[in-house]
Amino acid sequence: AQSVAQPEDQVNVAEGNPLTVKCTYSVSGNPYLFWYVQYPNRGLQFLLKYITGDNLVKGSYGFEAEFNKSQTSFHLKKPSALVSDSALYFCAVREPGGSNYKLTFGKGTLLTVNP
Amino acid sequence: GAGVSQTPSNKVTEKGKYVELRCDPISGHTALYWYRQSLGQGPEFLIYFQGTGAADDSGLPNDRFFAVRPEGSVSTLKIQRTERGDSAVYLCASSSDPSSYNEQFFGPGTRLTVL
Repeated sequence: AQSVAQPEDQVNVAEGNPLTVKCTYSVSGNPYLFWYVQYPNRGLQFLLKYITGDNLVKGSYGFEAEFNKSQTSFHLKKPSALVSDSALYFCAVREPGGSNYKLTFGKGTLLTVNP
Repeated sequence: GAGVSQTPSNKVTEKGKYVELRCDPISGHTALYWYRQSLGQGPEFLIYFQGTGAADDSGLPNDRFFAVRPEGSVSTLKIQRTERGDSAVYLCASSSDPSSYNEQFFGPGTRLTVL
């Protein structure tokens, strides 16, 4: 069965500093990987995805993520954090092929960017 | 354009009662998903519809939970004999052609509280 781990419940960074939110996964075969962000009282918003190709994926709001197959990781990064980036971030995985389209999410990481 | 909408935004009910939660997906999206998000957890898959049919209902926790999508658009999640453990945020998502690895777009959720 597929699974996702987000080892950090919380990440705190200063505004202007780079940020990293960690994600590791377990899946049979090559995974499809996603990052979503959740702001208070709002639904999940899609940030970026990795399906195939270049291991560095760029997404919305200046975020990017690097797929590392040997480490089974898909860490979310941003070169310079903004206070408005403060939110709950979820990594998700979908198994490749077949008809299994469901997403399996991690528990989430609360990012706080301090002014 | 309009995103995924869910009604009601909040539902408070008493143990043992029946509830219905509604999801209106993005127009033209053939795939519709229901997830449940408990406090401090990531969303957990419940059921996936492709068109009118439930293609995967493996995430429904028991037979008190049922979902329909009779015309391939709006979906209703039905919970019978509610229990306190059913309290959670119920999220709906839709996507176009999931076989093309398109991301899922989420609604704001319905917060269900069972007293």
